[in-house]
Amino acid sequence: DAGVIQSPRHEVTEMGQEVTLRCKPISGHNSLFWYRQTMMRGLELLIYFNNNVPIDDSGMPEDRFSAKMPNASFSTLKIQPSEPRDSAVYFCASGYLNTEAFFGQGTRLTVV
Amino acid sequence: AQSVTQLGSHVSVSEGALVLLRCNYSSSVPPYLFWYVQYPNQGLQLLLKYTTGATLVKGINGFEAEFKKSETSFHLTKPSAHMSDAAEYFCAVATDSWGKLQFGAGTQVVVTP
Repeated sequence: DAGVIQSPRHEVTEMGQEVTLRCKPISGHNSLFWYRQTMMRGLELLIYFNNNVPIDDSGMPEDRFSAKMPNASFSTLKIQPSEPRDSAVYFCASGYLNTEAFFGQGTRLTVV
Repeated sequence: AQSVTQLGSHVSVSEGALVLLRCNYSSSVPPYLFWYVQYPNQGLQLLLKYTTGATLVKGINGFEAEFKKSETSFHLTKPSAHMSDAAEYFCAVATDSWGKLQFGAGTQVVVTP
């Protein structure tokens, strides 16, 4: 398996634009997590899914953030409109039951 | 609520010396505990995990950690540091049955020749 695949690896966008981050989890995993990493706040869990159903979205910072998981092999995290303070590295991770989470390489988002 | 505290945001160690990274947790249920490593511009990679059973856990790259319930600790050690161990290390605790992780703030390890 190629592991968790995220795209794009880097994204630079202007403030106010819509940004969509994509994630393909490891086949067979039933949990999917979106994390955000910044120097100031460290690793924060934004939202996670189990069997494609959102379980906890309490970490989503604002209504500008939304996430979907239309099927077991794909998830998106959308920011609309984007703001400079959204600049961070966004990680997707997947897991099975309560085993370890496997992380993707991350998407480095810069909002100017 | 579960939480994780990593003592020391930066650790400098000489090549060949012992690496010791401290992690304390709080958990209302028997914890599942993890150590991850992050190299520059990379995602997080699992070093080792404790779920149940033996409290001394061995991981990749010569690292090991010991779960001590009485001390609520899960410290990470490696007997002899290598230059390739320079990275950031994160301790984490699983907070629910779906594998949701609460991470510590991380410890940056610098290895000097």
